[in-house]
Amino acid sequence: EAQVTQNPRYLITVTGKKLTVTCSQNMNHEYMSWYRQDPGLGLRQIYYSMNVEVTDKGDVPEGYKVSRKEKRNFPLILESPSPNQTSLYFCASRSGTGVYSPLHFGNGTRLTVT
Amino acid sequence: AQSVSQHNHHVILSEAASLELGCNYSYGGTVNLFWYVQYPGQHLQLLLKYFSGDPLVKGIKGFEAEFIKSKFSFNLRKPSVQWSDTAEYFCAVNREGGSYIPTFGRGTSLIVHP
Repeated sequence: EAQVTQNPRYLITVTGKKLTVTCSQNMNHEYMSWYRQDPGLGLRQIYYSMNVEVTDKGDVPEGYKVSRKEKRNFPLILESPSPNQTSLYFCASRSGTGVYSPLHFGNGTRLTVT
Repeated sequence: AQSVSQHNHHVILSEAASLELGCNYSYGGTVNLFWYVQYPGQHLQLLLKYFSGDPLVKGIKGFEAEFIKSKFSFNLRKPSVQWSDTAEYFCAVNREGGSYIPTFGRGTSLIVHP
């Protein structure tokens, strides 16, 4: 089944403790992206990747890192999480043709930083 | 910068009422348009999309949207809503040219009372 898999679904951590949220897709998609969803603010893009070893900042990249060493994986790294990073995070992917392709979303990771 | 505006942030309807959710974008060139739906506790899913041709597009579950180029709009409609349509709805725009990074509106929360 074609899907985007995120782990974990729920994560509670403390300020400053490094964490990684994994994202993997099995559709051979070139484009992958991370979003955070907050009430009243909708979806905001954190980082995106057009292909392996190519990553770019989105609208809200501060406090986050990503890597794209393999086509299928696009982990989101919080080196020193802070409470303002408490949010619902979604990974998404899309085929390389871009304009004609909708995004496929993972099931989300709800992160709480205390 | 390109922006996508969804003017209705919260909509409350009774079952069988008609629905229209507004979406306007600011980019003047060729665009491709999407509506995504997020049911409670779930990830975003594609509802419908417009690339070219007939400006009235039909999606899943009886939804449709009309692209009006002169008004830079892509409003979502459904003649008769059901309780199961309770969800958050996001409009998104891909701009042709560049890297086709999708821009999302802030979302509209729809609650349908039985």
